[in-house]
Amino acid sequence: GENVEQHPSTLSVQEGDSAVIKCTYSDSASNYFPWYKQELGKRPQLIIDIRSNVGEKKDQRIAVTLNKTAKHFSLHITETQPEDSAVYFCAATPTFGNEKLTFGTGTRLTIIP
Amino acid sequence: SAVISQKPSRDICQRGTSLTIQCQVDSQVTMMFWYRQQPGQSLTLIATANQGSEATYESGFVIDKFPISRPNLTFSTLTVSNMSPEDSSIYLCSVEGTSGRPSTDTQYFGPGTRLTVL
Repeated sequence: GENVEQHPSTLSVQEGDSAVIKCTYSDSASNYFPWYKQELGKRPQLIIDIRSNVGEKKDQRIAVTLNKTAKHFSLHITETQPEDSAVYFCAATPTFGNEKLTFGTGTRLTIIP
Repeated sequence: SAVISQKPSRDICQRGTSLTIQCQVDSQVTMMFWYRQQPGQSLTLIATANQGSEATYESGFVIDKFPISRPNLTFSTLTVSNMSPEDSSIYLCSVEGTSGRPSTDTQYFGPGTRLTVL
């Protein structure tokens, strides 16, 4: 089955700096890669996703890049703000029609004011 | 996206008892899933709740321990049976394929049920 590795497990950045979280996956058939943000005591919330037919997607301060050859994808947050502090999870799904998501282990991001 | 609610939001239970968690969506959805999230950990899929048929369980999870129902396209229940302290966790439902559209792979999560077993 699919295996998703996520790094780093914790990340602290100064407010205003950029943060990058990286994930690798094992199943070359995976074609959908969402990112979720989970604040303390809250549900995971989808913040951005990317499909295998594109290499990059941006939404304001958030971007995701995908390298299918290397089987890795990354989340980039620019101009970080204190409200970006949360745990971020990447995920991958093996095949279209098989909607099971495999999640990474999570990254705890702390923005230092 | 759909509005997803779960009941109860939290509960404290005695070992050996069972708890049924409800997941309600305000619109029909194609897929419903149940996850467990242990403290400080990632999300682990328990099973896919299939409408009108038996749920599909992931490795390590069995129907006797986690019976699941899905009587229609907007509602599902997960029961945690014969609980032990190791079952203390957050249980989340998620849905996919909202607003009558075909599945798009995007999953949205309910608020979760925080379960503590003494």
